[in-house]
Formats: sequence, structure tokens, C-alpha cells
Amino acid sequence: AQTVTQSQPEMSVQEAETVTLSCTYDTSESDYYLFWYKQPPSRQMILVIRQEAYKQQNATENRFSVNFQKAAKSFSLKISDSQLGDAAMYFCAYRSGETSGSRLTFGEGTQLTVNP
Amino acid sequence: NAGVTQTPKFQVLKTGQSMTLQCAQDMNHEYMSWYRQDPGMGLRLIHYSVGAGITDQGEVPNGYNVSRSTTEDFPLRLLSAAPSQTSVYFCASSYWQGGAYEQYFGPGTRLTVT
Repeated sequence: AQTVTQSQPEMSVQEAETVTLSCTYDTSESDYYLFWYKQPPSRQMILVIRQEAYKQQNATENRFSVNFQKAAKSFSLKISDSQLGDAAMYFCAYRSGETSGSRLTFGEGTQLTVNP
Repeated sequence: NAGVTQTPKFQVLKTGQSMTLQCAQDMNHEYMSWYRQDPGMGLRLIHYSVGAGITDQGEVPNGYNVSRSTTEDFPLRLLSAAPSQTSVYFCASSYWQGGAYEQYFGPGTRLTVT
């Protein structure tokens, strides 16, 4: 079975600075997808960024980028120019490429605080 | 489109009571799933469905039943609620988009069992 680990329960960053959230995973599969989700106080789960394992290039979405290290099974999220609206719980998630689209395995989450 | 809707938003049950959490989507997605979120544990998959009439167990299925009689609806039933089922429940639906499955989550139901 796959596992996802987020070793930082809490992180904080000053507004306009950069922060990196860590995620490691364990799998024996070669085909899979990795995701970062944001959960603000409203509870809504919002997809931040997605990485396909077969792609060597790291995914980027505006101020959000990932550092995908496949051999090390590491998938960190970098948030640049942090904004107050970035404060939320962030979850790393894994989906096998060999199964249906319904099944995500999540990490424990990292609570991000943005200080003004 | 309303997306993925869940009712109720909040619910308090007594131990032993039964109830159904409703989930509906109007996007014609094949795949639907239920997760529970507990502090310090992220989201864990309870049950999922790959289409009408087809369901399967996830990581933590005990104490829950599901059925999928239509594409749109995927209710989650608690037959005899226990305090260990106090949690936030999320329903999600997904479809194939741009080389990967795009997953949409509902707003969640906060359930307290006393």
C-alpha cells in the first residue's frame, strides 16, 4: 500500500517571503500522480498543483511550484511571495496511475500561517 | 453546475442512531468517493464507486454502507453511529481531464456522535 508523509504539522512564513512544505511518499509503482491540496477555514478542498510521475519537469502554477524528486520519493511545495490568503492547511496526496480516479491517499497535513 | 453538493452541513447523532449523508453531483462524473477527515490524519478513503451499480471499499469502510443507483447520487449510510465516527466527511467526484483525473470535492459534513 502507498503511504504519504508530511513531517511538518505547522509552518509559518512572513508575508511576501517564500516557504517550502515537505512531502515524502512510498510506492512500488512507476505510474502515479501527486497533488497538493489547500484547505482554508471554509473546509473546501482546493487543488493547488498536480505532478505526473512520468514528467521530469516540475509543475508550476503562478506562485506555486513543486520540487519533484522521483528517486528520493519527495514532493515539496514552494510558495513564493506568500500572501495572507495562502494561510490554510495543505495536504499532499498520491494517486496510482493503475487504478480509477477515485482513490487518493493523503498525508497528515501541514498548517501554514502567514504573518503580516 | 452546482458541482458536488453534500447535505447536511452539520449533524449531531446519539450513539446507536442511524443516518444517511447525502452526496450529489451534476457533472456526469463516473467516479465518486467518500473520505473522512480526522485531526492529524489527513483524509482517508471510506468507499468509492467507478459507476452506477459498482462500489468498493476503501481504507476505512467499517461501519459505513454505500450504494450507487444513479450516476448523480452516492449516499453514505451509518447504520449504528459510534463516537469513533465523529469526523468531517467529504464526498468527491472525478473525471478524466487532460491526461489525469480531475477531482472535485464537496463542502463537507461535520458529524458529531455523542
